Amino acid sequence: DTAVSQTPKYLVTQMGNDKSIKCEQNLGHDTMYWYKQDSKKFLKIMFSYNNKELIINETVPNRFSPKSPDKAHLNLHINSLELGDSAVYFCASSQDYARVAGEPAYEQYFGPGTRLTVT
Amino acid sequence: AQRVTQPEKLLSVFKGAPVELKCNYSYSGSPELFWYVQYSRQRLQLLLRHISRESIKGFTADLNKGETSFHLKKPFAQEEDSAMYYCALDAGGTSYGKLTFGQGTILTVHP
Repeated sequence: DTAVSQTPKYLVTQMGNDKSIKCEQNLGHDTMYWYKQDSKKFLKIMFSYNNKELIINETVPNRFSPKSPDKAHLNLHINSLELGDSAVYFCASSQDYARVAGEPAYEQYFGPGTRLTVT
Repeated sequence: AQRVTQPEKLLSVFKGAPVELKCNYSYSGSPELFWYVQYSRQRLQLLLRHISRESIKGFTADLNKGETSFHLKKPFAQEEDSAMYYCALDAGGTSYGKLTFGQGTILTVHP
């Protein structure tokens, strides 16, 4: 039973197109994240949502718009795709996000990734 | 701002040899440090975290606050350890669960 799933697994598209990547988690978690892994394998957070509310919005172009219809889903919509958007996008989820001082952070569970190729 | 550095992009060892993947961090507060692993064609998964002080698959990592390091060690590497390893930091507080990752180290264990 897959905990965090993403669709599609592969996405090949042309510059200028608009595309969406979907993420779903069945762990009952409140917090979900989007990370980008670039061609050099560098992994960086883009967004996070908690109970459908935006919590983290890193310096990402506003062509990227996350949408959380409910706490089990966090989709990523990308407008006007550019060559530099080619990357692997990972979704993740955790039980919560707020680490209380002295308490351990919540473990993040990752999806399988979506490899986006923009030509 | 917090930063995580993994100085080695690639690391090759032979089976049975000791292996150490280096991780240094910069953060003035009390971070929590993690090692994540990504095996070929698999998703990123948590290997271990400093707060649990466990040994997972023979790997250990000790947080050295003086040297701001969290190196991952295994005394006898196995071929199945070949993977991409990421060191990550959670700064707590207003970081809101954000994980800051290092650049990753690709470990190859030769037979």
